[in-house]
Amino acid sequence: NAGVTQTPKFQVLKTGQSMTLQCAQDMNHEYMSWYRQDPGMGLRLIHYSVGAGITDQGEVPNGYNVSRSTTEDFPLRLLSAAPSQTSVYFCASSYSKSGQGTYGYTFGSGTRLTVV
Amino acid sequence: KQEVTQIPAALSVPEGENLVLNCSFTDSAIYNLQWFRQDPGKGLTSLLLIQSSQREQTSGRLNASLDKSSGRSTLYIAASQPGDSATYLCAVENSGGGADGLTFGKGTHLIIQP
Repeated sequence: NAGVTQTPKFQVLKTGQSMTLQCAQDMNHEYMSWYRQDPGMGLRLIHYSVGAGITDQGEVPNGYNVSRSTTEDFPLRLLSAAPSQTSVYFCASSYSKSGQGTYGYTFGSGTRLTVV
Repeated sequence: KQEVTQIPAALSVPEGENLVLNCSFTDSAIYNLQWFRQDPGKGLTSLLLIQSSQREQTSGRLNASLDKSSGRSTLYIAASQPGDSATYLCAVENSGGGADGLTFGKGTHLIIQP
């Protein structure tokens, strides 16, 4: 099925470990983004990319790294996991209309990460 | 900084009732406003998108309105069904500079009683 695929669905890390959350889309969307969802906080933007080779920071980028080598893939790297990074992570893709914002938002099913 | 507020935080109503969910935002410089649905343990599903130049959008039993000047949107659900039970999220895409992406409210947790 077309859409956004996130792996893994669940992960437990120890403090200080690193890992990569994978995100892939097959809709040829140029725009991809990562959000985290915490109880009582809503979804917050971590990093985003407007195309291959272009990434930028969102609202809560500290402790995370991204790259975009292809249109399809947008991995999120946790450099040194901390308990404060315990959250549910969502990847999304969309396309842009020149000067009119982005459309067609499609979200993955999420990665539930626990850092102990 | 854009802030999005959703009221109420939770709502429980009997099946068949019409209901209204509210969303407000502080900065009217937006490209669009979207309503999403999130089921427990699942991702987000886009329900309706209203461009900043539009006043409302309809899809089946759902109708969303937008008053950009006052920073408000409502999602109207007609003839509610138990299958409508979910968390409904409002999000805006800012056009006034800063990071791209959506700013979300915290959601309204809706329960439709059979």
